[in-house]
Amino acid sequence: DIQMTQSPSSLSASVGDRVTITCRASQSMSSYLNWYQQKPGKAPKLLIYAASSLQSGVPSRFSGSESGTDFTLTINSLQPEDFASYYCQQSYIPPYTFGQGTKLEI
Amino acid sequence: QLQLQESGPGLVKPSETLSLTCTVSGGSISSSTHYWAWIRQSPGKGLEWIGSIHYSGTTHYNPSLKSRVTTSVDTSKNHFSLKLSSVTAADTSVFYCARHHRQQLGDFFDYWGQGILVTVSS
Repeated sequence: DIQMTQSPSSLSASVGDRVTITCRASQSMSSYLNWYQQKPGKAPKLLIYAASSLQSGVPSRFSGSESGTDFTLTINSLQPEDFASYYCQQSYIPPYTFGQGTKLEI
Repeated sequence: QLQLQESGPGLVKPSETLSLTCTVSGGSISSSTHYWAWIRQSPGKGLEWIGSIHYSGTTHYNPSLKSRVTTSVDTSKNHFSLKLSSVTAADTSVFYCARHHRQQLGDFFDYWGQGILVTVSS
């Protein structure tokens, strides 16, 4: 299985900040990487697919990039509704695996 | 707007079979470009893909669960189902159903149900 390692596991930030979350894959997997946001008691919500494509309806302050086996989710100008947990997920080879998550806190 | 809703017992006894159904509304489950997935989330193991099924009956399962998982689709009811056999306390999780979008740039899960907590306990 492809292992996905996210960092940091938690992150404190303020409204208006720019934050980055990193996901490292255990092997090369091209751009087959998705990002999800999850709020307490809710299902995950797709933000970014194929490493850098913004899902319809997602604000443009969210962006994704890749460099080799490292993938980054960037949130510009944090809004109050962005405080949540974030997960990466690889779709290169089944079984599809997720990172362990990053909790973004105020 | 596509909506998915999980249903089933919230409590299952150890060694028994967990059975859940996901009802899809606002769209047809008989889509050639989509599979329908089950994903679970537990504090110990995080998010785990269980498996996906196409309306034609084609399935893909996580090898770690394959021996205990069965999925099915009922196009007349626009729903799909999950059975997980021989459950233990380690299977206690929130179970989600989701639409599994397949494309050349990679698959993703774009619509999710609200989730259902299933506890395994005697």
